[in-house]
Amino acid sequence: GAVVSQHPSRVICKSGTSVKIECRSLDFQATTMFWYRQFPKKSLMLMATSNEGSKATYEQGVEKDKFLINHASLTLSTLTVTSAHPEDSSFYICSALLASDTQYFGPGTRLTVL
Amino acid sequence: EDQVTQSPEALRLQEGESSSLNCSYTVSGLRGLFWYRQDPGKGPEFLFTLYSAGEEKEKERLKATLTKKESFLHITAPKPEDSATYLCAPNYGGATNKLIFGTGTLLAVQP
Repeated sequence: GAVVSQHPSRVICKSGTSVKIECRSLDFQATTMFWYRQFPKKSLMLMATSNEGSKATYEQGVEKDKFLINHASLTLSTLTVTSAHPEDSSFYICSALLASDTQYFGPGTRLTVL
Repeated sequence: EDQVTQSPEALRLQEGESSSLNCSYTVSGLRGLFWYRQDPGKGPEFLFTLYSAGEEKEKERLKATLTKKESFLHITAPKPEDSATYLCAPNYGGATNKLIFGTGTLLAVQP
């Protein structure tokens, strides 16, 4: 149980385009999901907390107009990287909160912006 | 300021050679400390949650313990498939359930 999927697993795009990443909880409902990014050999950095039916809460320093988060259902949250640039290239990972406190993570999405 | 430090940064063991990983934290109002395993190019995999000092949890060759300032992940008789990065993450966010991740310990177990 507690399976979280992400799609796509890898994406390559041109600078200036937008990319959407989906995060789904497959066998449970998640009111809260989280989005992280991870640089090579670095730890996970929380970008935002996504709550179903309400606006996401962004961490300090994260541009909410650049990283659009939508949590329209109890099993799906999406992260859209708008007008992507090479510095946005990273490993993006989502997690879904099960029960009261345990986060289960998706497999991640590797974004490369050319 | 809430912080978490993991040591060592990297650890190389021979198969069967037991050892421990350390996670030191300064988090006010701790509401659980989480351990995850992360393989290269993948998302973290949940291992344990510890809530109070003195608590221990085990899973196969892994045992996690918790004190008021530290958590240890003990690996007994490791196998090559235990090679991964082990991350600890205190829950410092209270009702928001935010986790602070340490930088992890990269474990390599050689046959």
